[in-house]
Amino acid sequence: KAGVTQTPRYLIKTRGQQVTLSCSPISGHRSVSWYQQTPGQGLQFLFEYFSETQRNKGNFPGRFSGRQFSNSRSEMNVSTLELGDSALYLCASSLFLAGAQGSGANVLTFGAGSRLTVL
Amino acid sequence: AQRVTQPEKLLSVFKGAPVELKCNYSYSGSPELFWYVQYSRQRLQLLLRHISRESIKGFTADLNKGETSFHLKKPFAQEEDSAMYYCALKPDTGGFKTIFGAGTRLFVKA
Repeated sequence: KAGVTQTPRYLIKTRGQQVTLSCSPISGHRSVSWYQQTPGQGLQFLFEYFSETQRNKGNFPGRFSGRQFSNSRSEMNVSTLELGDSALYLCASSLFLAGAQGSGANVLTFGAGSRLTVL
Repeated sequence: AQRVTQPEKLLSVFKGAPVELKCNYSYSGSPELFWYVQYSRQRLQLLLRHISRESIKGFTADLNKGETSFHLKKPFAQEEDSAMYYCALKPDTGGFKTIFGAGTRLFVKA
């Protein structure tokens, strides 16, 4: 089956602009998580969506937002871009079911990422 | 606070030598622990999880709740093991998120 698909793969923006990134999860996965990956910080959790609801959010400013559609596809948006927002943004899908600890449902399957460069 | 610490940013070993990538976590409940790996030009992917207690590509990891550690080990490193390794924790309560460490880059020299 198809993996997690992220678009666009690469993009360059200037400070103050906004950007929207898209993620299509594995078929049947209703949970989508977003991470920011940088060389020094590793993977920082942004947010997680399930059935169009944000269930958890990381410690990022309000400029970072997201949403999920009824087909489980997700988008994240970053407004008023800053130089420090340059990073690889990873999307991951999973089953992430309540009470599923240890069942394998919590394994994340990652997309290739969207590399954002802010000039 | 929930935290995953990987103390080594870079680990360099010779082919055939044993390797241990350290991971310590801060969490008081019963988390699920994972190791994810990212090979050059490939996607981040699951290597193993503590629940399954299996060996993948010769790697094993034992969860030590007393020391809150989940170190990754392999008795004989291979050049193809060179990659970025991330330790990750999924809390049993408090929401649906997986917390990652900063990662350790393993370089296996010929």
